[in-house]
Amino acid sequence: AQSVSQHNHHVILSEAASLELGCNYSYGGTVNLFWYVQYPGQHLQLLLKYFSGDPLVKGIKGFEAEFIKSKFSFNLRKPSVQWSDTAEYFCAVNPTGTASKLTFGTGTRLQVTL
Amino acid sequence: EAGVTQFPSHSVIEKGQTVTLRCDPISGHDNLYWYRRVMGKEIKFLLHFVKESKQDESGMPNNRFLAERTGGTYSTLKVQPAELEDSGVYFCASSQARGYTGELFFGEGSRLTVL
Repeated sequence: AQSVSQHNHHVILSEAASLELGCNYSYGGTVNLFWYVQYPGQHLQLLLKYFSGDPLVKGIKGFEAEFIKSKFSFNLRKPSVQWSDTAEYFCAVNPTGTASKLTFGTGTRLQVTL
Repeated sequence: EAGVTQFPSHSVIEKGQTVTLRCDPISGHDNLYWYRRVMGKEIKFLLHFVKESKQDESGMPNNRFLAERTGGTYSTLKVQPAELEDSGVYFCASSQARGYTGELFFGEGSRLTVL
């Protein structure tokens, strides 16, 4: 069975700082990779996803993530965070070619200070 | 377009009582999922409906949990009798059947507190 590790549980940054959130997965086959975000009081929403092709994917709100197959990693990055990026971020995977269940990491709570 | 809606947003019950959570998916979405997050831990898959059929219920913790999706529209998740360890946030998500894009559309969750 697959698993996802998010090593940063709580990150505090000042506005304009750069962000990188780690995500590593464990699975023997090929996977689809996702980052979801939950803003305070809102529902989970998709930030970006990787299925195949260019390993550097761009999502909404200036976020990007890089799939490094050799490291089983899919780290999320943003060059300059804003206060409005304060949220909880979840990395998730599912086996390629399926519409089946996602396996999530434990989430990273990001707090951006002014 | 209305999103996924869940009811209630928060429920507080005593151990041994019964609670029923409801999820209304986005209209036209055949796939419906239930997930659960226990405090501070990962969001875990419970089960997956395709229309009214259970496609995968491998994540259901035990037989105290019963999920239904009558007519392939809304779904309910009943916990009977509730135990302390059932406390958490229950998320519902839906997606289209065809042209799978990998995106699940989530509701805001139903927080269950068992005392």
